[in-house]
Amino acid sequence: DAMVIQNPRYQVTQFGKPVTLSCSQTLNHNVMYWYQQKSSQAPKLLFHYYDKDFNNEADTPDNFQSRRPNTSFCFLDIRSPGLGDAAMYLCATSREPLSYGGDPGEQFFGPGTRLTVL
Amino acid sequence: SQQGEEDPQALSIQEGENATMNCSYKTSINNLQWYRQNSGRGLVHLILIRSNEREKHSGRLRVTLDTSKKSSSLLITASRAADTASYFCATDRGSTLGRLYFGRGTQLTVWP
Repeated sequence: DAMVIQNPRYQVTQFGKPVTLSCSQTLNHNVMYWYQQKSSQAPKLLFHYYDKDFNNEADTPDNFQSRRPNTSFCFLDIRSPGLGDAAMYLCATSREPLSYGGDPGEQFFGPGTRLTVL
Repeated sequence: SQQGEEDPQALSIQEGENATMNCSYKTSINNLQWYRQNSGRGLVHLILIRSNEREKHSGRLRVTLDTSKKSSSLLITASRAADTASYFCATDRGSTLGRLYFGRGTQLTVWP
């Protein structure tokens, strides 16, 4: 089945130790998103890619970086995790957006990676 | 920043009852979507309603949209214990780039 896969499902890191979360998709969607969701809060968009075009949200901290080496994979790098970065990180994909002649439609989410910072 | 608010924040009902959740938002939109999230899992898309639509149905789900009041409601009829989850509304804030901005969600508990 076509899907969005996130690895690992649970990640523990130490304060200040860089960590990378990965996302892959078999849907062949052009757009990929990273969200941060803290306990009992709304998912918050960090950034998204249309193909290799990177779009950062204005309030995403510089501590968060992302890479998309190809259509299928996208990585979230947290350069120096702080205690406040402990959260669920959700990856999602969607088809061609309106601005590129597509239809917004739904986003397809992976199961998430729960990050713990010690 | 957060787009809107879901109301109520928590809802507890018995199986067979209807559940109504409301969502308010602040900006113009192209569409509004509702998602469901089981505890500790990713989000699952439920329904999308465009700004020129007023009502949409999908199975036991009914969504309404009032753009003049910047609000939407999600009705789940004949609730089941398996409907227990958090429900989020999300809008595009008028963007055509595909981004979504979520509300805080309503935690629905359906008791057998």
